[in-house]
Amino acid sequence: QVQLVQSGAEVKKPGSSVRVSCEVSGDTFTSYAISWVRQAPGQGLEWMGRFIPILGIANYAQNFQGRVTITADKSTNTAYMELSSLRSEDTAVYYCARGAFMDVWGKGTTVTVSS
Amino acid sequence: EVVLTQSPGTLSLSPGERATLSCRASQSVSSSYLAWFQQKPGQAPRLLIYGASSRATGIPDRFSGSGSGTDFTLTISRLEPEDFAVYYCQQYGSLPQTFGQGTKVEIK
Repeated sequence: QVQLVQSGAEVKKPGSSVRVSCEVSGDTFTSYAISWVRQAPGQGLEWMGRFIPILGIANYAQNFQGRVTITADKSTNTAYMELSSLRSEDTAVYYCARGAFMDVWGKGTTVTVSS
Repeated sequence: EVVLTQSPGTLSLSPGERATLSCRASQSVSSSYLAWFQQKPGQAPRLLIYGASSRATGIPDRFSGSGSGTDFTLTISRLEPEDFAVYYCQQYGSLPQTFGQGTKVEIK
C-alpha cells in the first residue's frame, strides 16, 4: 500500500535551516500533490504549502512565504520541505500528506529549535 | 483565505451516544471540497471524510459527513471507545488550504 516515509527528528539553532524529506512508496509519485502540514505542541494543524510533481510547481501559505521551499525529486519519489530563518515558534511536528484531501500521511518529523 | 470555525471546542459524551460536530466557513467552500480528520495523541491525522460526505477507505459507517456552502457537519452515530479524539475539518477548494481549530471529543 501507499506509504510516506519521513526523515528523522532534527534539533536546530535559531536562524538556521532545516530540510525534511518525504519518500513516497507504493504509488506513482507524479499522480498526486504532496502537502506539508505542521503542528506545534498542543496546537492544531497548519497547512504550509504543497508541491504538484506533474506540473513542477509549488504553492505556499502566506505565513511561510519567503521562508519555506517545497521541492521534489521524481527520480527518488521524494518530496522535500526546507524552512529557513528558524525561530523557537517553528518547533513542531512536520507532516507530509498525499493529495488534495490528504488521504495518506507520513508519521511526522519533530523539529526542535533551541539555542 | 477561508477561515473554518469548529464548534463546540470540546464535546463530553459517553460511549454509545451520538456526536455532532460543526464546521462553519467564512465563505462558500468550492465544490464542497471539505474533509474531516481524526487525530489521536502522538499520531498523524487520519482522513475520515472527503468531498463533504464521502467516507474514506476503511472508515466505519458510523461516521458520516453532510453540508454544503458554508455549513458542514460530522456525525458519529454511536461513539465507540476508540472514537474519543480530536477532529479537524479542512477545506481544499481554494488556496491556501485551511484547517479548523479542532473539536475534542472526550469521555464524559
